[in-house]
Amino acid sequence: NAGVTQTPKFRVLKTGQSMTLLCAQDMNHEYMYWYRQDPGMGLRLIHYSVGEGTTAKGEVPDGYNVSRLKKQNFLLGLESAAPSQTSVYFCASSPPSGRAGEGSTQYFGPGTRLTVL
Amino acid sequence: AQSVTQPDIHITVSEGASLELRCNYSYGATPYLFWYVQSPGQGLQLLLKYFSGDTLVQGIKGFEAEFKRSQSSFNLRKPSVHWSDAAEYFCAVGALFRQGGKLIFGQGTELSVKP
Repeated sequence: NAGVTQTPKFRVLKTGQSMTLLCAQDMNHEYMYWYRQDPGMGLRLIHYSVGEGTTAKGEVPDGYNVSRLKKQNFLLGLESAAPSQTSVYFCASSPPSGRAGEGSTQYFGPGTRLTVL
Repeated sequence: AQSVTQPDIHITVSEGASLELRCNYSYGATPYLFWYVQSPGQGLQLLLKYFSGDTLVQGIKGFEAEFKRSQSSFNLRKPSVHWSDAAEYFCAVGALFRQGGKLIFGQGTELSVKP
């Protein structure tokens, strides 16, 4: 099992450019998440999905869009990148919530470092 | 609203010394609590989690954490720190059975280990 993988690992954009970050998981997890990590602020949830074809906003969704067309993939899009979106982006997945709460453990990808000039 | 506070931004300990990282949470019901570790340039790895039952939880790499409801705390401990423990540590609280198991993370505590 590869677990959670993210593409690309690094990217530099100019202000106003667009791009898509790809997250893939091979654990058949129902839930997937996109976070951004900034110094001193921990991880903040951008968007999440509780199943194929469904998405929901997290804590900091502005400027981002997501899609979950396939269960194993979760895409994060930046339509018009801004310097404030310079960050490290992490994807995570988890099985659905179940008895004893076992479903809530999230498994993280290695991250994508994005710089917007 | 749920929140997690890690009061210490950066801690330095000597190798072989004991370690305690603090975590305080705010949550209106029984919390589900996690500690994750992030090595430089890596993603987050789960150290341990508390859902219910015994308030002292054992995790990987010799770590343990104790849930204290009266203090709203979930502090992480290790009796003897190794140089390889240098990393950033995140405490998180989660809501189950609604909102897709979202996690709220603390700001993180960076651990440095002196030889």
